[in-house]
Amino acid sequence: GQQVMQIPQYQHVQEGEDFTTYCNSSTTLSNIQWYKQRPGGHPVFLIQLVKSGEVKKQKRLTFQFGEAKKNSSLHITATQTTDVGTYFCAGRRLTGGGNKLTFGTGTQLKVEL
Amino acid sequence: DTGVSQNPRHKITKRGQNVTFRCDPISEHNRLYWYRQTLGQGPEFLTYFQNEAQLEKSRLLSDRFSAERPKGSFSTLEIQRTEQGDSAMYLCASSTTRLAGDTQYFGPGTRLTVL
Repeated sequence: GQQVMQIPQYQHVQEGEDFTTYCNSSTTLSNIQWYKQRPGGHPVFLIQLVKSGEVKKQKRLTFQFGEAKKNSSLHITATQTTDVGTYFCAGRRLTGGGNKLTFGTGTQLKVEL
Repeated sequence: DTGVSQNPRHKITKRGQNVTFRCDPISEHNRLYWYRQTLGQGPEFLTYFQNEAQLEKSRLLSDRFSAERPKGSFSTLEIQRTEQGDSAMYLCASSTTRLAGDTQYFGPGTRLTVL
């Protein structure tokens, strides 16, 4: 079956440092979505990428979809304590996956003052 | 703000009992999803509905699990003869096919503990 892995599993940074999480799928994706889950909360949609090589920015967050549509990354510039949480990528298979969204393993971000 | 709501928020039950959870999606969202999430893992797809039709079901969903969405609005997820391994957060999400991208909006979840 489809697998979506993320690295690193955990990341501890000092406030102001940058952070990147990488997402890799075992199959080609039709699109990829990113979600943020705060401790004790539920996943909250951040963004969707559809096109090969697509790059989107949201303030300090930069999202990228790989050329082969099998990987993606989320980069946060100058982290703040409000960025704390677990970041999940989630993708749909290009073929044979129906509408099922497969979530990645997540990267837990902790930001220290 | 009428987001996705789920009831109950917490459920503690004894092994072997049946439990039922309810999800109310965002009004006029025609798609509804159920996921299960355990500690330290991402949400795991269980099943989804478009209107009242159950279109996909994960192989993870054993015979003890059943979901319904009889009128295409709220949905229920029932687990029969619960086992300790069923302990998890059960998340519901909804989306609309009227907008591109099928962005899913999650509810707060129902945390199930099976003793």
